[in-house]
Amino acid sequence: EVHLVESGGGLVQPGGSLRLSCAASGFPFSTSWMSWVRQAPGRGLEWVANINQDGLEKYYLGSVKGRFSISRDNAKNSFYLQLNSLRPEDTAVYYCTRDHSVAANDYWGLGTLVTVSS
Amino acid sequence: DIQMTQSPSSLSASIGDRVTITCRASQGISKYLAWYQQKPGKVPKLLIYGGSTLQSGVPSRFSGSGSGTDFTLTISSLQPEDVATYYCQKYNTVPWTFGQGTKVEIK
Repeated sequence: EVHLVESGGGLVQPGGSLRLSCAASGFPFSTSWMSWVRQAPGRGLEWVANINQDGLEKYYLGSVKGRFSISRDNAKNSFYLQLNSLRPEDTAVYYCTRDHSVAANDYWGLGTLVTVSS
Repeated sequence: DIQMTQSPSSLSASIGDRVTITCRASQGISKYLAWYQQKPGKVPKLLIYGGSTLQSGVPSRFSGSGSGTDFTLTISSLQPEDVATYYCQKYNTVPWTFGQGTKVEIK
């Protein structure tokens, strides 16, 4: 059975940093692209970033480019999102998802809440 | 970037009604279109990918059609458990943009 478990969310002041983690199991993680998708309170879904199998290809939403950094550790079946220079508008539930070239985001974690507020 | 526009933003229908949601891409995306269902307080769930392929375990009352720029999600007979917000998403190139969502309620 597939499991994606996020951690690392919390309350942070504007300008602060957080590191989100996602632990994966139940599928061949090292051969999968992975993504982060976020959802602000009461709002829609927003794709944030993704990373390829070996971590050498990374893509970002324009509004987070230069502030967020995606990475992965295939030995630990985990990937990460480093959030820097956080803004109130980054407040959201952050979901980790598996990318499938045919089936889009087929597996999702339960999400971790990031709140940016003073 | 390619923009995804869903319509309507919300709808109310009776049990058993046929419900149709449309999604339009600002540029052609071939068949790289997925539909998700998000029930209140829950994680999004993949319903359809490739424009028309039903994800395993999804009831057959859901169907998808379209290619290029215009796509449709149809619920052939609305059930109480279908109350949710539905999102389209294009995934041919990054960013994998979502539509703004369509909230489906029971009349």
